[in-house]
Amino acid sequence: GEDVEQSLFLSVREGDSSVINCTYTDSSSTYLYWYKQEPGAGLQLLTYIFSNMDMKQDQRLTVLLNKKDKHLSLRIADTQTGDSAIYFCAERPPGTYKYIFGTGTRLKVLA
Amino acid sequence: GAVVSQHPSWVICKSGTSVKIECRSLDFQATTMFWYRQFPKQSLMLMATSNEGSKATYEQGVEKDKFLINHASLTLSTLTVTSAHPEDSSFYICSATDTRSSYEQYFGPGTRLTVT
Repeated sequence: GEDVEQSLFLSVREGDSSVINCTYTDSSSTYLYWYKQEPGAGLQLLTYIFSNMDMKQDQRLTVLLNKKDKHLSLRIADTQTGDSAIYFCAERPPGTYKYIFGTGTRLKVLA
Repeated sequence: GAVVSQHPSWVICKSGTSVKIECRSLDFQATTMFWYRQFPKQSLMLMATSNEGSKATYEQGVEKDKFLINHASLTLSTLTVTSAHPEDSSFYICSATDTRSSYEQYFGPGTRLTVT
């Protein structure tokens, strides 16, 4: 079956790097996404990676994909207080429009 | 581009009444819209998928008669929570996509429903 798991909570100090991890089960997933959700708001797409890629970098964000271990990570460099939010990873199996969301990781940035 | 709006952003209603939530794609045509439900501190759970002009497909465990979905145009889908109960209180998020050109879903800002 399809399942996406994340650690529930992460706390970092302002200026440090944050690494949010995600594991998935569907080995045939095509796209893997990272979304940010601030309190009371919808989901904001941060970045995504195609399953034939190992890494993608976009400004302060770096996505690493380990297909063998089915492990996805999001690294936020120079974490700021405005990065405090819940981060969801999601996978989209091939041939479907449905997204499967992880449990979400609550990131708290300490000043 | 690819902006999705929801209305209202929050609503309080009494038990037993019905409430309608709108999801609109503002700058693109949405052949398919998705409705999600999110409980506090939990992930998004897909409730149903609606295709323009046809009946919605509901996920297992979602009551069709309670959560009525209409997708009558390429820019509007509505979710009506009928005979609302306090346990229906939740954050409802829609997303939209144009399946003719993309697999990407664009999310609305969500609607917080509180049933008293």
